[in-house]
Amino acid sequence: NAGVTQTPKFRVLKTGQSMTLLCAQDMNHEYMYWYRQDPGMGLRLIHYSVGEGTTAKGEVPDGYNVSRLKKQNFLLGLESAAPSQTSVYFCASSYGRSNTGELFFGEGSRLTVL
Amino acid sequence: GDSVTQMEGPVTLSEEAFLTINCTYTATGYPSLFWYVQYPGEGLQLLLKATKADDKGSNKGFEATYRKETTSFHLEKGSVQVSDSAVYFCALSNISGGGADGLTFGKGTHLIIQP
Repeated sequence: NAGVTQTPKFRVLKTGQSMTLLCAQDMNHEYMYWYRQDPGMGLRLIHYSVGEGTTAKGEVPDGYNVSRLKKQNFLLGLESAAPSQTSVYFCASSYGRSNTGELFFGEGSRLTVL
Repeated sequence: GDSVTQMEGPVTLSEEAFLTINCTYTATGYPSLFWYVQYPGEGLQLLLKATKADDKGSNKGFEATYRKETTSFHLEKGSVQVSDSAVYFCALSNISGGGADGLTFGKGTHLIIQP
């Protein structure tokens, strides 16, 4: 039972390069989320989706884009990476809304922007 | 906006000691409250939750009670083990208060248990 899978797990980019992080879940969850985790900051919500074809901005959306073309996948894109985007990125999914349901997290993707 | 404040640590205890990690929150309405745990190299896992005032969440010997009068959700365990060493996050969801979906997290408390 895979749960939530993130790829890649590690990536090093140069400033200005682009990349896409892929999140896949096999639990048929409606809701999916992208968070970033920085030292001393906890986790902060970047974007989220309440269902296939929908996306919404979270707390720190600038510099990121997302897409949810298929229910099981949630993609996070960086069009022009900046050193401030060096972070660990976590994807999560849930069956119901966050106030009642449990969020299931992936193992994280560590991104370094030089 | 909504926020969660928790002691950051690191908190270092000896095995079998009593644990308290303080968590307070600021939110309108009636948020749901959660504790998540992150073991080294892993993603976060739900430890326990409480969805209304005076509810007590419990799991694996950990407990936390939703105290609306003090806006707190402190995590406690009577006797910690080395395997409890991890980072603990307090979090809230405030959809009922008009907040966006998703969780608002505290900064995390690094717990170290020594044999």
